[in-house]
Amino acid sequence: GQQVMQIPQYQHVQEGEDFTTYCNSSTTLSNIQWYKQRPGGHPVFLIQLVKSGEVKKQKRLTFQFGEAKKNSSLHITATQTTDVGTYFCAARGGYQKVTFGTGTKLQVIP
Amino acid sequence: NAGVTQTPKFQVLKTGQSMTLQCAQDMNHEYMSWYRQDPGMGLRLIHYSVGAGITDQGEVPNGYNVSRSTTEDFPLRLLSAAPSQTSVYFCASGPLQRAEAFFGQGTRLTVV
Repeated sequence: GQQVMQIPQYQHVQEGEDFTTYCNSSTTLSNIQWYKQRPGGHPVFLIQLVKSGEVKKQKRLTFQFGEAKKNSSLHITATQTTDVGTYFCAARGGYQKVTFGTGTKLQVIP
Repeated sequence: NAGVTQTPKFQVLKTGQSMTLQCAQDMNHEYMSWYRQDPGMGLRLIHYSVGAGITDQGEVPNGYNVSRSTTEDFPLRLLSAAPSQTSVYFCASGPLQRAEAFFGQGTRLTVV
């Protein structure tokens, strides 16, 4: 079945530093979504990418979908303590089944 | 604005007991799903449904049953609880035409 891997598993950054998480699939994806889960909370939808090479921005967050549609990245510029949480990518595959990546846990040191 | 409501929030079961985790959504979403979240494992899909009367298995369906008799409700049944089913369970729903999934607050289940 469809598998989506994320790296790194954990990342500690100093406040103000940049952060990037990567999502990789062995198969071509029709779409990719990104979610954020705050500590003790539930995942919250951030964005969806569907086109090859697509880049979308949300304030300090930049999302990219690879040209081959097998990978994606989320980049946060100048992290803040409010960025703390786990970031997941997810892909909707055959018959609407949504598979989540393993997640990257971000810790921001003030 | 209820959204996706899960009950209970916390539950402790003894090995071998059965129980049902409830999930209800008031957004008329066709798609509903159950995930379990374990440390370092991300969110793993248990079962999902694309409409009333239609369910299918996810990655880790063993030990769990679901049914979808209405659009609003998607209960998850643990047939005979095992310690390996200790986890946080999330229910999610979403419209089929869009990718966005809305999650409930989660149920923290401990099996002793």
